[in-house]
This record gives sequence, C-alpha cells and structure tokens, in this order.
Amino acid sequence: NAGVTQTPKFQVLKTGQSMTLQCAQDMNHNSMYWYRQDPGMGLRLIYYSASEGTTDKGEVPNGYNVSRLNKREFSLRLESAAPSQTSVYFCASSHLGGAGGYTFGSGTRLTVV
Amino acid sequence: QKEVEQDPGPLSVPEGAIVSLNCTYSNSAFQYFMWYRQYSRKGPELLMYTYSSGNKEDGRFTAQVDKSSKYISLFIRDSQPSDSATYLCAMIDGQAGTALIFGKGTTLSVSS
Repeated sequence: NAGVTQTPKFQVLKTGQSMTLQCAQDMNHNSMYWYRQDPGMGLRLIYYSASEGTTDKGEVPNGYNVSRLNKREFSLRLESAAPSQTSVYFCASSHLGGAGGYTFGSGTRLTVV
Repeated sequence: QKEVEQDPGPLSVPEGAIVSLNCTYSNSAFQYFMWYRQYSRKGPELLMYTYSSGNKEDGRFTAQVDKSSKYISLFIRDSQPSDSATYLCAMIDGQAGTALIFGKGTTLSVSS
C-alpha cells in the first residue's frame, strides 16, 4: 500500500535550471494537489487537478506548471528555478475532493542556489 | 484577513497534560473540518475529520467545531512525547473543484 509516492526526495538546483517533480498515487483517487511548505507560511496550494484532464491554479502558481498525465500521475515543473522556490513540496490526493481529506506524499526538499 | 488563522506556538507541555489547539476562520461556507499531524520531515497525516458543527472523539483526541463562532479546536488528553509534532487545521466548503485551506500549523512539544 504505497499511497502517494513523490520523487525525488531531495534535489539541489542552480538558479535557472529546470526540473520536474513526480507524483503518483495508487488509491484510484480523482483529485491531486501540489503544495509548498515554507517556515512560517504553512501549506500553500500551487496547482490542483480536480479530475483527470483538468488543472487549476492555486494560491501561488507563478513559476510552476503542472501536467495531469493520467489518473495516477500529477507532475510539477519548474521551468527556470529561482532561490524563492527553495521549499518542501508535497503532493496529495483525495477521492471526494478535499471533503474526504487528503493523503500526502512524504515530500521533496528542493534547494535552489 | 487570512481565511484560516492558527497560532503557530510553539506550545510546550509536560507529559500527561491536556492540550488545546485552535483555529479560527472567516468563510462561513466551510463545512468540512480536519486536523492533520505532521512529524518532523514527514508529510501531514489526517488525524481527525468533522462535518459541520459538533464534537468528535477518537481515543485521546477530541475535535470540536463551533460554526456560529467560526472556531475549531483539537483537544489531546493525557499527552505523550509521541504527540510532539506540528498540528495543522484544514477546512473546505465541499463544493466541486475546490481545495483544502490549511492553517499555518501549531508546533507542540510534550516533555517526559
């Protein structure tokens, strides 16, 4: 029972580099989410996908793009990384939208130097 | 005004104490209320879930929702060192296509 799997767990990027954070869930959930967590700021929603084929912006979408590849996978791409994107990134999924609660992955710790 | 306000703490208590964690919110449309526990360097995990107003109890944990005051609480009885974590409140209106709104989290430390 893997739940939500995020890769990689750690990453260091140089300013201007690009990368894709991967997320996959094996619970047949419809909705998937990307959050970032920063000290003193809590969890802030970047993008979410209410169902396969749809994506919507959250609170802090600038500098990010997402792809809902299929029902299982939801990736987050940083096209040109900036130091302000240093953060811990969490992917989550849910069956009944947010009302059913989320299952979170273990996070990706990203440092941009 | 933020949609969800939560005192970040830190909160330090001795083992066996009763802990009270709270959140206030501004959106009267919120109907589903949750508490997540997050251990250091881990992802949040769902701890308690409540629909609309009222109380819900699960072992040493009790969640309360007062929609008239826009105030939710989590009580931990007989706190243990293993309860040391960050507790995040979260809520949603339940409409299709929306996402959970989280508080910033309260860091709790229980000393033995």
